[in-house]
Amino acid sequence: DAKTTQPTSMDCAEGRAANLPCNHSTISGNEYVYWYRQIHSQGPQYIIHGLKNNETNEMASLIITEDRKSSTLILPHATLRDTAVYYCIVRVLGFQKLVFGTGTRLLVSP
Amino acid sequence: NAGVMQNPRHLVRRRGQEARLRCSPMKGHSHVYWYRQLPEEGLKFMVYLQKENIIDESGMPKERFSAEFPKEGPSILRIQQVVRGDSAAYFCASSLGLGLTDGELFFGEGSRLTVL
Repeated sequence: DAKTTQPTSMDCAEGRAANLPCNHSTISGNEYVYWYRQIHSQGPQYIIHGLKNNETNEMASLIITEDRKSSTLILPHATLRDTAVYYCIVRVLGFQKLVFGTGTRLLVSP
Repeated sequence: NAGVMQNPRHLVRRRGQEARLRCSPMKGHSHVYWYRQLPEEGLKFMVYLQKENIIDESGMPKERFSAEFPKEGPSILRIQQVVRGDSAAYFCASSLGLGLTDGELFFGEGSRLTVL
């Protein structure tokens, strides 16, 4: 699986959009971009995934650059409960395990 | 539909004892994964099982650790002769399949092992 690079930490004001970047310059054509988050001491939670088109669901939006070398997870209106570690993972579909990096620690403040 | 259930949530063992951690996957899921998270560290993959078979155990320590997922009943992660370095949170995840729509991993709340 390709490696990902994320900032160690980010801050965001409550109610603002949180934009979390991820670099995956060695991604191959059959690898998907997945985002999970882990709220303190809880199990990781799936957020969204995509291949090359932008994706949106009830939790977030995923913007993938045209060359697929980077992506951005957008939480449109961050709340205090969005404070968590966010993991960007690239994974070949049909391959089983997720390999977690160190992620980005997002702190949402009032 | 109940989520992934792990028990016990907290387990305390003395050095040299055995620890057994159980994981019941979501209903209908036949793929189970175990991860370990040491204090202040990221999640590390340990093993992937699919009903009665170990598919990938590349992250399992070579000694003292074993995992099973029997035809009936929960998946078990077993740690023999525990040492203080085994103290960690152990997370189980399950998935329905491996595809685009069924390959999402659902995680349990974890079992926290403390070795005295």
